[in-house]
Amino acid sequence: KAGVTQTPRYLIKTRGQQVTLSCSPISGHRSVSWYQQTPGQGLQFLFEYFSETQRNKGNFPGRFSGRQFSNSRSEMNVSTLELGDSALYLCASKAAGARYEQYFGPGTRLTVT
Amino acid sequence: KQEVTQIPAALSVPEGENLVLNCSFTDSAIYNLQWFRQDPGKGLTSLLLIQSSQREQTSGRLNASLDKSSGRSTLYIAASQPGDSATYLCAVWGNQFYFGTGTSLTVIP
Repeated sequence: KAGVTQTPRYLIKTRGQQVTLSCSPISGHRSVSWYQQTPGQGLQFLFEYFSETQRNKGNFPGRFSGRQFSNSRSEMNVSTLELGDSALYLCASKAAGARYEQYFGPGTRLTVT
Repeated sequence: KQEVTQIPAALSVPEGENLVLNCSFTDSAIYNLQWFRQDPGKGLTSLLLIQSSQREQTSGRLNASLDKSSGRSTLYIAASQPGDSATYLCAVWGNQFYFGTGTSLTVIP
């Protein structure tokens, strides 16, 4: 089975712009979660989508949003970028149910200048 | 709110040593605990998943234990190798994934 894929792998944006990141889960996985990783804050949960519905949301401002499509692919959008949004954004997928293992993609490195 | 702590933050050992990484969490209402490794600038690689009803899991040279009542997990690495050098993260799944702060491991040849 192919693993979790994320595109693009690297992005450079300017403050005030918006960005969209994409995640394709492992085939058959219906849950997709997004995380932000920074040196200062570590790994933080952004949100989880399951069957096109947001199931959980972390403590991030409304500038961070996401969606999931019927094929389970997910996108994350950040509007009005700030310097502090520079981070590694990781996507993870798992089969339905809380007890299943999460598998992570390679991440998208976002740099905001 | 769930808080996950990992001790030590960094560890350096000579090749061949056995070592233990620690993970503690404040809320025992979890579904499972997962250990990951992360190489610099890369994503996370799953090492072991322990369900809340289990006490331990083993994979090769790795053994992870879980004591839910005391809010603790340990990752035991036997006969460490330079290729084991990475950051090790534990995460607990309640209503979302909460990650620990990580242990940066260096195995010296």
